[in-house]
Amino acid sequence: DGGITQSPKYLFRKEGQNVTLSCEQNLNHDAMYWYRQDPGQGLRLIYYSQIVNDFQKGDIAEGYSVSREKKESFPLTVTSAQKNPTAFYLCASSRGLAGVGLGGANVLTFGAGSRLTVL
Amino acid sequence: GESVGLHLPTLSVQEGDNSIINCAYSNSASDYFIWYKQESGKGPQFIIDIRSNMDKRQGQRVTVLLNKTVKHLSLQIAATQPGDSAVYFCAETPGGGADGLTFGKGTHLIIQP
Repeated sequence: DGGITQSPKYLFRKEGQNVTLSCEQNLNHDAMYWYRQDPGQGLRLIYYSQIVNDFQKGDIAEGYSVSREKKESFPLTVTSAQKNPTAFYLCASSRGLAGVGLGGANVLTFGAGSRLTVL
Repeated sequence: GESVGLHLPTLSVQEGDNSIINCAYSNSASDYFIWYKQESGKGPQFIIDIRSNMDKRQGQRVTVLLNKTVKHLSLQIAATQPGDSAVYFCAETPGGGADGLTFGKGTHLIIQP
């Protein structure tokens, strides 16, 4: 079955440590995204990538870094510079960024999420 | 700034009843809207979408209504089932680009037996 796999599901980090969250998709989607979800809040965009070796900052990129060396993979590193990293992180993908018709490139397919807790 | 919000954070309905989840948006340039369902501990799942040139769209047991005059979006779920219990998010984007999606805070729908 095609889908998005995030790992690990749960991660604990000590303050000052960098951690990397994995995101792999086998949907042949061009675009991939990382969102952060906090209790009682909507999803906030951290980074997104339209194509291999290219990515753009979202609304809350500070303290995070990404890479897109392969179409299938878009890992997120939460650095020690991120002051409040405890959150639920969601990776998503879509066929593209441009809106065409309904149910098309705009629709995001999400992974199951990774919950990061800073001790 | 522009934002998408929901009127009620929690909605409780009896199993079998219809439910309506509301969403207000403020970006008049938004022309594409999506509803997502998120079950506990999982990622959001696409339910239904609608473009601004439509005012209604139906799926299986779900209907999305769009009122551009008052910038209001609603999701109607017919004959609710226990599996409908989840948090429902609306999202909107101007120009239809997925990178421009703005998500609301979500409404927690609880189905009472």
